[in-house]
Amino acid sequence: RKEVEQDPGPFNVPEGATVAFNCTYSNSASQSFFWYRQDCRKEPKLLMSVYSSGNEDGRFTAQLNRASQYISLLIRDSKLSDSATYLCVVNIRNAGGTSYGKLTFGQGTILTVHP
Amino acid sequence: GAGVSQSPSNKVTEKGKDVELRCDPISGHTALYWYRQSLGQGLEFLIYFQGNSAPDKSGLPSDRFSAERTGGSVSTLTIQRTQQEDSAVYLCASSQRLAGESEQFFGPGTRLTVL
Repeated sequence: RKEVEQDPGPFNVPEGATVAFNCTYSNSASQSFFWYRQDCRKEPKLLMSVYSSGNEDGRFTAQLNRASQYISLLIRDSKLSDSATYLCVVNIRNAGGTSYGKLTFGQGTILTVHP
Repeated sequence: GAGVSQSPSNKVTEKGKDVELRCDPISGHTALYWYRQSLGQGLEFLIYFQGNSAPDKSGLPSDRFSAERTGGSVSTLTIQRTQQEDSAVYLCASSQRLAGESEQFFGPGTRLTVL
């Protein structure tokens, strides 16, 4: 089983639509969670961190369910510029709370927003 | 300020040759990471450095892969006796602190093609 699994997509949605991506992680020691965005043939860039209480940044809402080991990203009012691959990312910490230093990436979900 | 830079941006080599990939992290970032991304795949962790030491080399695919970092700055990833399956985009990232504790910033990558 992969450490981080995502909806493979692709998702094709019209402008203005609301779209949700899901992600599950297998290691219960995972402590930090992120969504990265990667444009075609470009490097990944941090979109937002995911906090236990859930968090929102403009049109983007991220949620975490530790019991189910599940993370989600909701995009409202989709724009053409939202077209990209969205990567679910986790970081594992040891019992002392220190990061192991690496991020584990999901395969990504491709989103295409069309006019 | 300058971001993470990598060189070369593209490298085409013949099977069996050695290649060196270079990463210049953001000034002052103590942590440096190497990943690779094959076509249509997620990011695969290779190795990370905290300062000049590499606490986790678990992601290196074989003993043909090695990396070093000197002066707490520039890092070089070396692949000896390249194989066709080594073809991928090699991404470097850096962060002020360990992954999960501060944002990772990625370089543009080196696209390696082994003929």
